[in-house]
Amino acid sequence: DAGVIQSPRHEVTEMGQEVTLRCKPISGHNSLFWYRQTMMRGLELLIYFNNNVPIDDSGMPEDRFSAKMPNASFSTLKIQPSEPRDSAVYFCASTTDSINQPQHFGDGTRLSIL
Amino acid sequence: DAKTTQPTSMDCAEGRAANLPCNHSTISGNEYVYWYRQIHSQGPQYIIHGLKNNETNEMASLIITEDRKSSTLILPHATLRDTAVYYCIVRLDRNEKLTFGTGTRLTIIP
Repeated sequence: DAGVIQSPRHEVTEMGQEVTLRCKPISGHNSLFWYRQTMMRGLELLIYFNNNVPIDDSGMPEDRFSAKMPNASFSTLKIQPSEPRDSAVYFCASTTDSINQPQHFGDGTRLSIL
Repeated sequence: DAKTTQPTSMDCAEGRAANLPCNHSTISGNEYVYWYRQIHSQGPQYIIHGLKNNETNEMASLIITEDRKSSTLILPHATLRDTAVYYCIVRLDRNEKLTFGTGTRLTIIP
């Protein structure tokens, strides 16, 4: 079975540019999570969706960040405009609605803002 | 979610059992203990979880003390590929968030 698929794996861009990260969850999973990992702050939850609806976006750092889930098989995390402090590894994870099912993570997008 | 405390780092000889401790003294009755690991440059990988009974799967065993205030993850025959950061997470049964701490950096030594 295919796991969570994220693209691109690496992104390098200049500050001020728009960045779009993509995630395809595991088929049949109806909860999707976006995390960010930095050396300073570790792994942090940014936002999560259930049945394509955002449930908790309290971890989104500021208005420059937005996330969408237009259907059950695709989600995007967008940063506009990007800043050097947004440099991090961004992970997407998915799981089913059943109680105590583990989250399965993609391999992440390593983002560098110059 | 309850806070967890783990050693910063541990070493284990290849082929031996790796025992990773975790303290969660403020755990409540409906909180589960989850273990994930993160191998360099990869996303976190689910290992095992439990409530109060010991659990075993193809990857590891989880031993939870009777008072549930601590647990131990056991990798029975560690290999070099088990070198990773191991995270112990306490999670409410109906709370979908995972709150990652700093974890234990396990190094398997040849």
